[in-house]
Amino acid sequence: RKEVEQDPGPFNVPEGATVAFNCTYSNSASQSFFWYRQDCRKEPKLLMSVYSSGNEDGRFTAQLNRASQYISLLIRDSKLSDSATYLCVVNMSIGEVEGSQGNLIFGKGTKLSVKP
Amino acid sequence: SAVISQKPSRDICQRGTSLTIQCQVDSQVTMMFWYRQQPGQSLTLIATANQGSEATYESGFVIDKFPISRPNLTFSTLTVSNMSPEDSSIYLCSVEGRGQETQYFGPGTRLLVL
Repeated sequence: RKEVEQDPGPFNVPEGATVAFNCTYSNSASQSFFWYRQDCRKEPKLLMSVYSSGNEDGRFTAQLNRASQYISLLIRDSKLSDSATYLCVVNMSIGEVEGSQGNLIFGKGTKLSVKP
Repeated sequence: SAVISQKPSRDICQRGTSLTIQCQVDSQVTMMFWYRQQPGQSLTLIATANQGSEATYESGFVIDKFPISRPNLTFSTLTVSNMSPEDSSIYLCSVEGRGQETQYFGPGTRLLVL
């Protein structure tokens, strides 16, 4: 079983649409969760962290369900500039473990294309 | 976040040769990481590079194939040795982010091996 699985995509949506991405992770001991955005031929960039209480940043809302080991990202009122690949990332570290920052596990990403 | 640069940004190499990729950060960081992203795939961690000690390699990656240097707290190199077409990939370095739970990435080096 893959450690981090995402919707395969691609998602093709019109401007203004609401789109949701889902992600599941296999290691119940995972501690931290993130969504990264990767534009074509660019490096991944941190979009937002994901907390158990859920968090919102403008048009973006992230949710975490630890019991189901499920993470989601909701994009409202999508813009052309939202077109990118969205990577679900899980940090497998536990507490203050030396080298823990190296335990980021990346999903394969979900491609979003927003059309005019 | 830190400003990270990589050299070269891209290269085309012949099989059997080696390429050294440089990663420079604008601030001192304890840990630097090297990843590979093959076409259509997720990022895979190659190794963690700490200053003053040998790099720690992930399963499937060995020092002979991917030697790493970390001479100071702002710089690291990754060498892809004895390259084959299967090594064609994007190689990215990263550094620890805020809260030391996240990472920030350099722009990547696109490598094509013929």
